[in-house]
Amino acid sequence: GENVEQHPSTLSVQEGDSAVIKCTYSDSASNYFPWYKQELGKGPQLIIDIRSNVGEKKDQRIAVTLNKTAKHFSLHITETQPEDSAVYFCATDSGGYQKVTFGTGTKLQVIP
Amino acid sequence: SAVISQKPSRDICQRGTSLTIQCQVDSQVTMMFWYRQQPGQSLTLIATANQGSEATYESGFVIDKFPISRPNLTFSTLTVSNMSPEDSSIYLCSVEEGAYEQYFGPGTRLTVT
Repeated sequence: GENVEQHPSTLSVQEGDSAVIKCTYSDSASNYFPWYKQELGKGPQLIIDIRSNVGEKKDQRIAVTLNKTAKHFSLHITETQPEDSAVYFCATDSGGYQKVTFGTGTKLQVIP
Repeated sequence: SAVISQKPSRDICQRGTSLTIQCQVDSQVTMMFWYRQQPGQSLTLIATANQGSEATYESGFVIDKFPISRPNLTFSTLTVSNMSPEDSSIYLCSVEEGAYEQYFGPGTRLTVT
């Protein structure tokens, strides 16, 4: 089955700095790459996604880049704010029948 | 996106008992999913629940332990049966809107003593 590796597992940045989280995947047939944000005590929230027909997608301070040749994709958060502190999960479609496989998660701490 | 609610939000249960978790969506959806998230861990898919058919379980999860109902396009239940402390987790339901786009409920935090 699909294997999704996510790095780093924890990340601390100063408020205003940028944060980058990277995921690698194994299935070359994967075509959908979402990112989720999970705040303490809440369910994961879909914050941005990208499909394999584009290389980059932006939404205000967040962006996702995709390199299908190298089988990796990254989440970029610029001008970080304390409210960006959360656990972030990447995921890819895999295994057929509408399933997605999640990465191991990155705990982001933004220090005021 | 759809608004998803879960009941209960949390519970503390005795070993050997069962708990049924409800998932309600404010719009009709074809695909619903149940996940388990152990403390500090990622999400693991338990099963996919489509209305009008039997749930499809992932490797390591069986119907006798995690029976699922999907009586209509806006509702599903997951039962955690004969619980042990190892079942202490967050249980999440999600729905699919658009190809592979999943939206999650707030989760049910289960502690088994």
